[in-house]
Amino acid sequence: GAVVSQHPSWVICKSGTSVKIECRSLDFQATTMFWYRQFPKQSLMLMATSNEGSKATYEQGVEKDKFLINHASLTLSTLTVTSAHPEDSSFYICSARGQYEQYFGPGTRLTVT
Amino acid sequence: RKEVEQDPGPFNVPEGATVAFNCTYSNSASQSFFWYRQDCRKEPKLLMSVYSSGNEDGRFTAQLNRASQYISLLIRDSKLSDSATYLCVVTSWGGNQFYFGTGTSLTVIP
Repeated sequence: GAVVSQHPSWVICKSGTSVKIECRSLDFQATTMFWYRQFPKQSLMLMATSNEGSKATYEQGVEKDKFLINHASLTLSTLTVTSAHPEDSSFYICSARGQYEQYFGPGTRLTVT
Repeated sequence: RKEVEQDPGPFNVPEGATVAFNCTYSNSASQSFFWYRQDCRKEPKLLMSVYSSGNEDGRFTAQLNRASQYISLLIRDSKLSDSATYLCVVTSWGGNQFYFGTGTSLTVIP
């Protein structure tokens, strides 16, 4: 089946620094990728829809200047958390839409100290 | 109103029990329906799609009721390995937006 990878799988960073997370579709092209955030014991919350070659579409309440998304190719989307704060600590998951379902990456656990 | 609503549980059931989860959705134009399973600290993985005619995969049966706008998942003969969070997912018309329920936590007890 289709595979989506994410890198890094976990990261610890200091408050105020920026962190980049990569999401790759390994065996299919994805014109659209999605970025989710999940806090403990809560459901996935869609942050933004990443469109190849154009600007991302952000969900209400998600700061586009804080969460920078770049979808430069059909197999790669990146999410950069800028000036990270402890409250940004979360599980970030990307997904790419296949023909019939969404395929999720393994997630990136971000801890901001 | 949320797009998708689920009872978060937790459901704690003994091995061998039958357990059912329901999920309601608000948009009658929703197109596709899925159940995903998420293990702790892992990404969600597709368990099964849900069709109007109902579908069964081994011990798992999914049903869709468009008139009442709910979907259900029935697990028979629960196994310890079924312990996970089960997410109800509904797509918008056109399938571009996936809406997740909060998930229902299931623990199967020996």
